[in-house]
Amino acid sequence: EAGVAQSPRYKIIEKRQSVAFWCNPISGHATLYWYQQILGQGPKLLIQFQNNGVVDDSQLPKDRFSAERLKGVDSTLKIQPAKLEDSAVYLCASSPDRGGYGYTFGSGTRLTVV
Amino acid sequence: SQQGEEDPQALSIQEGENATMNCSYKTSINNLQWYRQNSGRGLVHLILIRSNEREKHSGRLRVTLDTSKKSSSLLITASRAADTASYFCATDAGTALIFGKGTTLSVSS
Repeated sequence: EAGVAQSPRYKIIEKRQSVAFWCNPISGHATLYWYQQILGQGPKLLIQFQNNGVVDDSQLPKDRFSAERLKGVDSTLKIQPAKLEDSAVYLCASSPDRGGYGYTFGSGTRLTVV
Repeated sequence: SQQGEEDPQALSIQEGENATMNCSYKTSINNLQWYRQNSGRGLVHLILIRSNEREKHSGRLRVTLDTSKKSSSLLITASRAADTASYFCATDAGTALIFGKGTTLSVSS
């Protein structure tokens, strides 16, 4: 089966600019996750979707980050305006359903804010 | 919040040796998972162990879980240079997985 697709692979922007990331999960996977991984740390959950509804966005900085999953398939994560501390790898993952499954991760988008 | 903490932070071994990594966590869990991450890549799911299981094997991987001590270990036997990567434990406590900071394993030939 095809894996989780993410684009772009790399992005460099200046602070205060906006950026968007795209994710296409494994076909049929109901649950989609966005994680932020800062260099040297483990991934930190930003938002979890179940189909096209939000399950958990408690750690999403909502003043600058937004995410959507229209039609319960693809998802986009946006940052506006970006700050230097947003430099990280943004990982998208999917699983068949909530709980009890391993996640399949995409290769991530490496964002550098200068 | 960080749930799992891996130990050691870094591990260097020779090919053919065994590598053991440990993970401690704080709250009750439904299952615990281990992932591998090669430099600059996404995470790859290795193994899932449920809270009612004590040990699980997959190829050269052996995972143990002690819920009374809130700890888990990952053993990689007969390590290869290709095992060089970061390894993360992740806990499922009814919400999305919470990852630790990882152990960086370096296997030299």
